[in-house]
Amino acid sequence: NAGVTQTPKFQVLKTGQSMTLQCAQDMNHEYMSWYRQDPGMGLRLIHYSVGAGITDQGEVPNGYNVSRSTTEDFPLRLLSAAPSQTSVYFCASSESGTGNNEQFFGPGTRLTVL
Amino acid sequence: AQKITQTQPGMFVQEKEAVTLDCTYDTSDPSYGLFWYKQPSSGEMIFLIYQGSYDQQNATEGRYSLNFQKARKSANLVISASQLGDSAMYFCAMSPRNAGNNRKLIWGLGTSLAVNP
Repeated sequence: NAGVTQTPKFQVLKTGQSMTLQCAQDMNHEYMSWYRQDPGMGLRLIHYSVGAGITDQGEVPNGYNVSRSTTEDFPLRLLSAAPSQTSVYFCASSESGTGNNEQFFGPGTRLTVL
Repeated sequence: AQKITQTQPGMFVQEKEAVTLDCTYDTSDPSYGLFWYKQPSSGEMIFLIYQGSYDQQNATEGRYSLNFQKARKSANLVISASQLGDSAMYFCAMSPRNAGNNRKLIWGLGTSLAVNP
């Protein structure tokens, strides 16, 4: 299993550009989520999905869109990049159920918006 | 509102000694899970240990143990016999265990641990 993969690893954008951060998992997990990590702010939830076709907003959704057309993929779209979106972005997935649902993280995407 | 508090921004420990990283939480959910993750300087998030709110015993995973005190709403991570490779950021997180697929994690701000040789 590849686990959770994210592309690209690094990206530099100009203000106003759009782009899609890709996330895929091969563990057949129902739950997937996107976080951003900023210094001193911890991890903040952007959007999440509890299954294909179902998405919802997290703590900081403004400026981002998501879709979940398949169980495997959960792309994050930046509509019009702003310097405030400079951050490290993590995608994560987990099983559902009531046991130990550790979230498996991708390696992260470091995004800089100029 | 659900919240995770990690009151130690930075900690130092001597190699081979034990260290406790504090975590307190606030939730009204009757069932929840508590997690600890490690983030080394390379940036990846590494799962360490999990404790369910109804688990009778404290969780242990090798050198990691979780000191779970439900009445005090604390879930402290204990690392025994610290190693230089334990130097990293450590995050405490909480997730509801209710019905459905929502496993949204609430995160603390983290504790930076430095292990001195």
